[in-house]
Amino acid sequence: AQKITQTQPGMFVQEKEAVTLDCTYDTSDQSYGLFWYKQPSSGEMIFLIYQGSYDEQNATEGRYSLNFQKARKSANLVISASQLGDSAMYFCAMREGAAGGYNKLIFGAGTRLAVHP
Amino acid sequence: DTEVTQTPKHLVMGMTNKKSLKCEQHMGHRAMYWYKQKAKKPPELMFVYSYEKLSINESVPSRFSPECPNSSLLNLHLHALQPEDSALYLCASSQDQGGKSYEQYFGPGTRLTVT
Repeated sequence: AQKITQTQPGMFVQEKEAVTLDCTYDTSDQSYGLFWYKQPSSGEMIFLIYQGSYDEQNATEGRYSLNFQKARKSANLVISASQLGDSAMYFCAMREGAAGGYNKLIFGAGTRLAVHP
Repeated sequence: DTEVTQTPKHLVMGMTNKKSLKCEQHMGHRAMYWYKQKAKKPPELMFVYSYEKLSINESVPSRFSPECPNSSLLNLHLHALQPEDSALYLCASSQDQGGKSYEQYFGPGTRLTVT
């Protein structure tokens, strides 16, 4: 069965510093996708970044980058130059199946990030 | 426009009430999802609609009844709920890309309290 593990319940970082949020996954599929979402206290889940299993380059989106190490089955999120607005819950997720025009996401337990001034 | 809207934002209902949650997107996405999220937990998938047909029901109790009237709208009808159903209900949508779908876009959620 597919599984996502986030081992850091909480992290804190000083403003303007970089922070890495850990995510490991387990799957027997050759084709899969990994996502990171941010959830502020308001509740909305905000899509940050996506990495496909066949993508050779690590995904980047602005200050977010995904450190994809396929052999280790890890997909860590790196946030550079942290801002106070980055304080939120962060979820790593994996796509389970992609047939039929929809996908099913499996979420990790999440990591709460606090950015200190 | 990557916006998914949900109404209402907050809902308080008694165990004998009937209410509905509404979700709308105008991105042309053909897959729509309902999730339930308890405090400090990840979202749990409830239902998936693909091309307006129910594709996944994750063994959700019948007091939750989904409906997809058209490709832009998704409703969740609530009846005879229990206090443990109090949670944040999130709607999401995703695009069909040649039979595959990638990121899901989420709405702001409805905070439901059952008294």
